[in-house]
Amino acid sequence: NAGVTQTPKFQVLKTGQSMTLQCAQDMNHNSMYWYRQDPGMGLRLIYYSASEGTTDKGEVPNGYNVSRLNKREFSLRLESAAPSQTSVYFCASRGQVGSYEQYFGPGTRLTVT
Amino acid sequence: SQQGEEDPQALSIQEGENATMNCSYKTSINNLQWYRQNSGRGLVHLILIRSNEREKHSGRLRVTLDTSKKSSSLLITASRAADTASYFCATDAGGTSYGKLTFGQGTILTVHP
Repeated sequence: NAGVTQTPKFQVLKTGQSMTLQCAQDMNHNSMYWYRQDPGMGLRLIYYSASEGTTDKGEVPNGYNVSRLNKREFSLRLESAAPSQTSVYFCASRGQVGSYEQYFGPGTRLTVT
Repeated sequence: SQQGEEDPQALSIQEGENATMNCSYKTSINNLQWYRQNSGRGLVHLILIRSNEREKHSGRLRVTLDTSKKSSSLLITASRAADTASYFCATDAGGTSYGKLTFGQGTILTVHP
């Protein structure tokens, strides 16, 4: 089991460029989440998917879109990157109902210049 | 906005000493979780305490929860250099929140050999 995987690990974008961050889990989890972590701060929820076929906004969704491609994969898209989106992005998944802990990927470090 | 406030922001101790981190939160919860993050890595789940529990143990970890004060503490006993990491509390409101977690800003723990 690889757990939660994320690609790429690092990315540098220029302002206005677009990109998609990929996330996949092999634990057959229903729920998946995208967070961002800024220096000295905890994680803030961008979007989440409670189950395959559903997505919803979190605390800081502006400037992002998501796609729950299937049960395994949940991608995060930046349509027009801005310097304020420089951050470390983490994907996480959560197991079946009654299982509350989340499993995190290793993160993608994104710099927007 | 961050649900949890953690203190101290940074803690420096010697190997063998105990480390205590505190977390306060604002709204009612279903459970509270603690995660560890080693430098440059994703978060790892440590322990979960439900709203109807007051104390929980796991190895060298002890978590307490006081719902009347909306606060929790994490105690790491007999700390080791390998415990050096950032520690985050995260609250889960339960119900239709679909497992969304709200994180505190974290405590940076440094354990000196």
